[in-house]
Formats: sequence, C-alpha cells, structure tokens
Amino acid sequence: AQSVSQHNHHVILSEAASLELGCNYSYGGTVNLFWYVQYPGQHLQLLLKYFSGDPLVKGIKGFEAEFIKSKFSFNLRKPSVQWSDTAEYFCAVAVAGGATNKLIFGTGTLLAVQP
Amino acid sequence: DTGVSQNPRHKITKRGQNVTFRCDPISEHNRLYWYRQTLGQGPEFLTYFQNEAQLEKSRLLSDRFSAERPKGSFSTLEIQRTEQGDSAMYLCASSLDRGNYGYTFGSGTRLTVV
Repeated sequence: AQSVSQHNHHVILSEAASLELGCNYSYGGTVNLFWYVQYPGQHLQLLLKYFSGDPLVKGIKGFEAEFIKSKFSFNLRKPSVQWSDTAEYFCAVAVAGGATNKLIFGTGTLLAVQP
Repeated sequence: DTGVSQNPRHKITKRGQNVTFRCDPISEHNRLYWYRQTLGQGPEFLTYFQNEAQLEKSRLLSDRFSAERPKGSFSTLEIQRTEQGDSAMYLCASSLDRGNYGYTFGSGTRLTVV
C-alpha cells in the first residue's frame, strides 16, 4: 500500500526566509504527486501537481516542487516566504492510472511565518 | 461554480446517536469522495462514487458508516451508533473525470461525539 511521510511537523520561519518541506512516498509503481495547502479556516486547495515530464513543477503563489524518482521524494520549496503563507501543507500521492484517483495524504506540516 | 458545499458545518452529538452529513459537489463533477481528518493527521480516504455507483470503500468505513449518492448529484454520509472515536472532520471532494486530478474540497463537517 502507498504511504506518504512528511518529516517536518511544525516549521517556523521569518518572512523572506527560504522554505523547503520534505515529502517522501512509498510505492513501487508510477505515481502522481500533489501538494495541498490549508489556510486557517479555509478548505484544502491544490498548490501544484506532478504527473509526468519536467520533474520541477511550478505552482501557485511562487511555490515549486521537485520530483526525484530515485529518492521517492517530492519536496516543496519557496525562495522567500511571506506572512500570508502561514498554513498547513499536505503532500499527497495517487497511483497513476488508478481507477479511483484516491489520494493518500501525509500528516501535514504546519508552517508559521513570523513578520 | 459555487464550489463543494457541505452541511452542517458543525455537529455535536451524543454517543450512540445517528448522524447524517450532506455534500453537494460541483454540478458537473461525476466523481465524489469522502475523507476523514483527525487532529494532527492528513485526510484519510473513506469512499468514492462515480456518478451514483459507490466503487470503493476503505477498510476505515465500518458497518456503522454508509454513504449514498442516489442520483449522482449530492451525497450523504451516515454514521450509526456514533462513538467518541468518530469525532473528526469529514471532508467531501469532487472532480470532473479520470484525467483531471483537480479535486475540489468542501470546507468539511466537524463532528464531535460527546
């Protein structure tokens, strides 16, 4: 069965600092990868996704993620965070070509950006 | 497009009572999902509908849980004989088709069993 690990449970940064959130998955086959964000009091929103092609994907609000197949990783990055990036971030994986498209989520990383 | 709507937003119930939640997906979305999220965890898949057919159920979904999507539009999730361990946020999501992984999530129903 697939699983997703997010090793950083709680990250505190100052504005303008660089961000990297780790995500590793376990599955031997082809996967589609996602990062979702949940701002305080709001619903989950898609930040970015990877299906195939260029392993460096760019998402909304200046976020990007790099898929490294050999490391089973899909780390999220942002060069300079803002206070408004304070949120919980979830990495998720789905079996590529699977019948249901169900997502397997990691436990999330709570990011607090201090002004 | 008004997004995915879930009702109620909050539900407090006594242990042993039955509860029902409703999800209204984006109207043209044929795929509908239910997830459960507890504190400190990511969302966990519960069940999936394509149109009115329930095609997959997680082992997390005990026989006290039942979900329906009678006309392929809105869906309901019922929990019978609630237990304290059922306390969680119940999330609904919908998507258009297999090739589009653009889930849209609702804001969820927070269940508290006392």
